[in-house]
Amino acid sequence: SQQGEEDPQALSIQEGENATMNCSYKTSINNLQWYRQNSGRGLVHLILIRSNEREKHSGRLRVTLDTSKKSSSLLITASRAADTASYFCASHASGGSYIPTFGRGTSLIVHP
Amino acid sequence: DGGITQSPKYLFRKEGQNVTLSCEQNLNHDAMYWYRQDPGQGLRLIYYSQIVNDFQKGDIAEGYSVSREKKESFPLTVTSAQKNPTAFYLCASSIYGQGSQPQHFGDGTRLSIL
Repeated sequence: SQQGEEDPQALSIQEGENATMNCSYKTSINNLQWYRQNSGRGLVHLILIRSNEREKHSGRLRVTLDTSKKSSSLLITASRAADTASYFCASHASGGSYIPTFGRGTSLIVHP
Repeated sequence: DGGITQSPKYLFRKEGQNVTLSCEQNLNHDAMYWYRQDPGQGLRLIYYSQIVNDFQKGDIAEGYSVSREKKESFPLTVTSAQKNPTAFYLCASSIYGQGSQPQHFGDGTRLSIL
């Protein structure tokens, strides 16, 4: 079953703008991860945030986690055309499961 | 370089035919996974394996079968019982253990019906 749901489903912006994607999940988690998928390729892991963390940075990526609202956001700052891809969140439920549950993804298009 | 290799990249299946998708990893990961991805959809888990000679059904295992005879290899067979096999299939691997490790993905196999 899908636990993570991303919002919006699609996002179109101009190069240089910031892109924000949101993810909601249903049960308590150990951690939440964000992945990127270029068209016709596999997923690539971007960043992991643990349940006891509120914010994490990696280069132009900033991830926040609000466990009280069961939601996370991924911010890409100063976007580039090369950031065009689909972005997925994957939540790992607490209780020892190592199987992640992926959302449906946000399709991001960055226009040059 | 370590990674996951899926083959073939494109595969066509005839009516009533079984086809096998290959997945090989040299990351020394214990856990391996198969996902199905339909257009505009997230990933749905077909099968997963924590260790050699052991595997479990995921959310949509009907019409699929797997084997795990070697740590490096986790082939997926799409049987004739799978009536709607057209999809993008992704294989992944990870370190197995508590705490949920990131998954590493291959570049997928796109399966279509002839």
